[in-house]
Amino acid sequence: EAGVAQSPRYKIIEKRQSVAFWCNPISGHATLYWYQQILGQGPKLLIQFQNNGVVDDSQLPKDRFSAERLKGVDSTLKIQPAKLEDSAVYLCASSPKLAGGRSSYNEQFFGPGTRLTVL
Amino acid sequence: AQTVTQSQPEMSVQEAETVTLSCTYDTSESDYYLFWYKQPPSRQMILVIRQEAYKQQNATENRFSVNFQKAAKSFSLKISDSQLGDAAMYFCAYNIDSGYALNFGKGTSLLVTP
Repeated sequence: EAGVAQSPRYKIIEKRQSVAFWCNPISGHATLYWYQQILGQGPKLLIQFQNNGVVDDSQLPKDRFSAERLKGVDSTLKIQPAKLEDSAVYLCASSPKLAGGRSSYNEQFFGPGTRLTVL
Repeated sequence: AQTVTQSQPEMSVQEAETVTLSCTYDTSESDYYLFWYKQPPSRQMILVIRQEAYKQQNATENRFSVNFQKAAKSFSLKISDSQLGDAAMYFCAYNIDSGYALNFGKGTSLLVTP
């Protein structure tokens, strides 16, 4: 079974430029997450999709960040314009479905992440 | 809001020895899940072990085991017979159920020396 794919693996941009990241979740996984991991910290949720609908984007800086998941499969995360504090690793994760309950827990599988450096 | 605290930024252990990583959390929920994830330099987040709060028995996975103290809201990870490949960042995480985002601690960097 192929894992979660992300590209690019690395990106270096100047502040105020735009950047986009791509994520291809595991086939059949309905739920997709984007996390931001700043150096020295744990990942923090930016946005969560269930199929092609947004479940939680409460921590997404909507003035500069946007994300979409067309057709409920691939997803792109965009930053426009980038700031120095956006330097981080952006992790994509997917899981089979929403709530699993006590009978089954649906694990989140993570991609390798994209390391963004904003100069 | 749920918070996860890892008070050890760095830990070191000799190969073949045992090490324990600490984690505390805060929640008002009675049912939830706790996790330990490993993140090597490749950045791939790998699930090490999962504990369901409604289970009293501590989870174990080969050389990895947890000490789950629900009343104290403590969840520590014990790594036995440490190996060089265990060197990585270890994150403690919490969520209320499948389909919810994980809340992570700040991580503990584990160094394994020969």
